[in-house]
Amino acid sequence: GIQVEQSPPDLILQEGANSTLRCNFSDSVNNLQWFHQNPWGQLINLFYIPSGTKQNGRLSATTVATERYSLLYISSSQTTDSGVYFCAVGDSTSGTYKYIFGTGTRLKVLA
Amino acid sequence: KAGVTQTPRYLIKTRGQQVTLSCSPISGHRSVSWYQQTPGQGLQFLFEYFSETQRNKGNFPGRFSGRQFSNSRSEMNVSTLELGDSALYLCASSLSGSEQFFGPGTRLTVL
Repeated sequence: GIQVEQSPPDLILQEGANSTLRCNFSDSVNNLQWFHQNPWGQLINLFYIPSGTKQNGRLSATTVATERYSLLYISSSQTTDSGVYFCAVGDSTSGTYKYIFGTGTRLKVLA
Repeated sequence: KAGVTQTPRYLIKTRGQQVTLSCSPISGHRSVSWYQQTPGQGLQFLFEYFSETQRNKGNFPGRFSGRQFSNSRSEMNVSTLELGDSALYLCASSLSGSEQFFGPGTRLTVL
């Protein structure tokens, strides 16, 4: 099955710093999402981005499907950005509809 | 539009008991997926339902089962609970299986 690797596993930043989170996947996918898990466990949708680039405020994401990676950029980080960021990929071409999650990047932003 | 709702939010059971968790998807969404999150195994896919049919199942024992009703609401059942079933159970809904939206989760503790 598809393998998903995220890096770095842990990241500590000072407020105001920028960061790049990476997601590598081992096979072709046609679904890819980035999530932020809040302290209560809920997964918050950040981007649905099987290919291309999207931006939402201080966050942006790029997926290069042909090279099997996606990047999440966080600019001018704030303490509220702390938490775990997950990348999830899925392949629905074979009729299977399931997401494979990476192990996450745990981000801590210091005031 | 209301988001995905899950009930109950917290549950404490003892070994050997069974449990039923409920998920109501976003209105109009016909696909419901279930995931288990544990510190050791991360986020793992359990199963996915679309229009009352199970389309895919993860690598979990037969003690884990689910169903979907005609109104797209879904339930999952775990029988003969084991300590290792303690986890956060997350439900996600989508229109057809692509972009997924998660509920707040049910935190199950097995004593």
